[in-house]
Amino acid sequence: GAVVSQHPSRVICKSGTSVKIECRSLDFQATTMFWYRQFPKQSLMLMATSNEGSKATYEQGVEKDKFLINHASLTLSTLTVTSAHPEDSSFYICSASNLIVYEQYFGPGTRLTVT
Amino acid sequence: KQEVTQIPAALSVPEGENLVLNCSFTDSAIYNLQWFRQDPGKGLTSLLLIQSSQREQTSGRLNASLDKSSGRSTLYIAASQPGDSATYLCAVRPIGANSKLTFGKGITLSVRP
Repeated sequence: GAVVSQHPSRVICKSGTSVKIECRSLDFQATTMFWYRQFPKQSLMLMATSNEGSKATYEQGVEKDKFLINHASLTLSTLTVTSAHPEDSSFYICSASNLIVYEQYFGPGTRLTVT
Repeated sequence: KQEVTQIPAALSVPEGENLVLNCSFTDSAIYNLQWFRQDPGKGLTSLLLIQSSQREQTSGRLNASLDKSSGRSTLYIAASQPGDSATYLCAVRPIGANSKLTFGKGITLSVRP
């Protein structure tokens, strides 16, 4: 299957700071990328869907001004957690797909800890 | 709204046992169903994808079945091994281009040596 990477794999930041997470599709052009978060022992919850070159579509209850998503190219999407708080600590996973691949390929995830 | 349920939440079996993991979904209008494996602190690895027109898919010791009309899927693992210990998630995709996956909470499997 296709390869999706995330960077960083782990990040610890102080409350009030911003953190950027990158998601890259390494061997195909991802017209759509999805961002999920996962709390311990819970399933993946979709946060937003981003299509290359357009604004992301956020799920209900997800603050778009807090979780900034940029999908400027067919191989890169970024999620920026602004003014992070301890309750934002979670496991963030991205996935990528396009109309040819038509299957979501998942990244390895990023563990965010806000102290 | 689609809901995906996986019961039980956890399962412990001795090595060598054949086992079945269950997944049910409420809306049968799906495009496909996918089974994933997740190791602790890791991302998702796709195991099997079944299109809505298919009944089953096989990969090695894994076999996934789909009964769309009853809203059920099973993942059969033959001759389980300690290395199979992980959380198994099923996810359904509704009809529509680039439509969103809905995940179950997963079943955490422990295979005892």
